Amino acid sequence: AQSVTQLDSQVPVFEEAPVELRCNYSSSVSVYLFWYVQYPNQGLQLLLKYLSGSTLVKGINGFEAEFNKSQTSFHLRKPSVHISDTAEYFCAVSLDAGKSTFGDGTTLTVKP
Amino acid sequence: DGGITQSPKYLFRKEGQNVTLSCEQNLNHDAMYWYRQDPGQGLRLIYYSQIVNDFQKGDIAEGYSVSREKKESFPLTVTSAQKNPTAFYLCASSIVGTGKYGYTFGSGTRLTVV
Repeated sequence: AQSVTQLDSQVPVFEEAPVELRCNYSSSVSVYLFWYVQYPNQGLQLLLKYLSGSTLVKGINGFEAEFNKSQTSFHLRKPSVHISDTAEYFCAVSLDAGKSTFGDGTTLTVKP
Repeated sequence: DGGITQSPKYLFRKEGQNVTLSCEQNLNHDAMYWYRQDPGQGLRLIYYSQIVNDFQKGDIAEGYSVSREKKESFPLTVTSAQKNPTAFYLCASSIVGTGKYGYTFGSGTRLTVV
């Protein structure tokens, strides 16, 4: 069975600073990797995904993530955050069958 | 545009009542899911269905029931047996047979016991 660990439950950061949200996964088979974002009182939206190929994946709103197979990690980064990036972020893994496993989420708070 | 519609957005339940949350999708996805979200606890899977007329319990199915009579619809009933139903409920769908598209989520229903 696969599992996902988001290493930080809360990440506070000042506006225009860089940020990294960490995600480790475990699986005995190849997986697809995802980051979702959830704004208050809304559903989750897909931010980016890694399927294969280049290990650096670019997503919406200036976010990117790097897949590291040896460290089984898929950390999310943004070089300069905005107040509007304040949200909860979820890392997820998915197998070929289609069912996903989600991490517990990381709350990103961007302060002025 | 295709998507998932959850209704109502806000729902209030009296003690001892059953309530039903609606989830409809027009994405032609085979699989549908219900999650419960509480502060600080991430997403917890209640039920999921990968085909019409079939569904499986998730991690916290007690006190909930579902049906899947149509591909497009996967309603969730919160029964009076669910002792702490106040939470945010999310419905999602996906394609069966490949995980590379991830999930599409609805906008959620916030249920409050009054």
